[in-house]
Amino acid sequence: NAGVTQTPKFRILKIGQSMTLQCTQDMNHNYMYWYRQDPGMGLKLIYYSVGAGITDKGEVPNGYNVSRSTTEDFPLRLELAAPSQTSVYFCASSLTGTPYEQYFGPGTRLTVT
Amino acid sequence: AQKVTQAQTEISVVEKEDVTLDCVYETRDTTYYLFWYKQPPSGELVFLIRRNSFDEQNEISGRYSWNFQKSTSSFNFTITASQVVDSAVYFCALSLRNSNYQLIWGAGTKLIIKP
Repeated sequence: NAGVTQTPKFRILKIGQSMTLQCTQDMNHNYMYWYRQDPGMGLKLIYYSVGAGITDKGEVPNGYNVSRSTTEDFPLRLELAAPSQTSVYFCASSLTGTPYEQYFGPGTRLTVT
Repeated sequence: AQKVTQAQTEISVVEKEDVTLDCVYETRDTTYYLFWYKQPPSGELVFLIRRNSFDEQNEISGRYSWNFQKSTSSFNFTITASQVVDSAVYFCALSLRNSNYQLIWGAGTKLIIKP
């Protein structure tokens, strides 16, 4: 049982490039989330999804896009990367929303230069 | 406004000491949930505990204990007889009944346990 997996683990992007961060969960969870964690800070929600085909913005959605075509997958797309998007990105899933705990992937460390 | 404050940015203790990590939250909602997560140096986030606003009983799990006090809006975490493996960043988070999807996170407390 892999839980939540994320690829890649590390990535360096040049300003203006685009990329997709992959996230897959095998727990049949309905809810999935993307967070970013800046150094010394807590997590900020980028986007979330309550089921296949349904997504919504979190606290910091600008510069990102998501899609949820299956229950298992929730990719995060960065368009026109900027240095401000340098961060660690975590994907998480939960059975439903509150009060269920969220299970996190190992994170993707992204540097934009 | 909803907010979680972890005023201790970093705590350093010697192994076997007891240590308490503070968490103060703000909300006007009467139904809410509080969480603690651990982030060890490897980087992943690990769920530790969840409490709902109607259950003020303290919780103990091995060397870990949690003290929830609605009167002071606090949900503090104590590690008894700390060990080097407890070194991590610990996050407190708040979730509201009317906000099904979002956890409001504190900034975290970095705990360093010295051998």
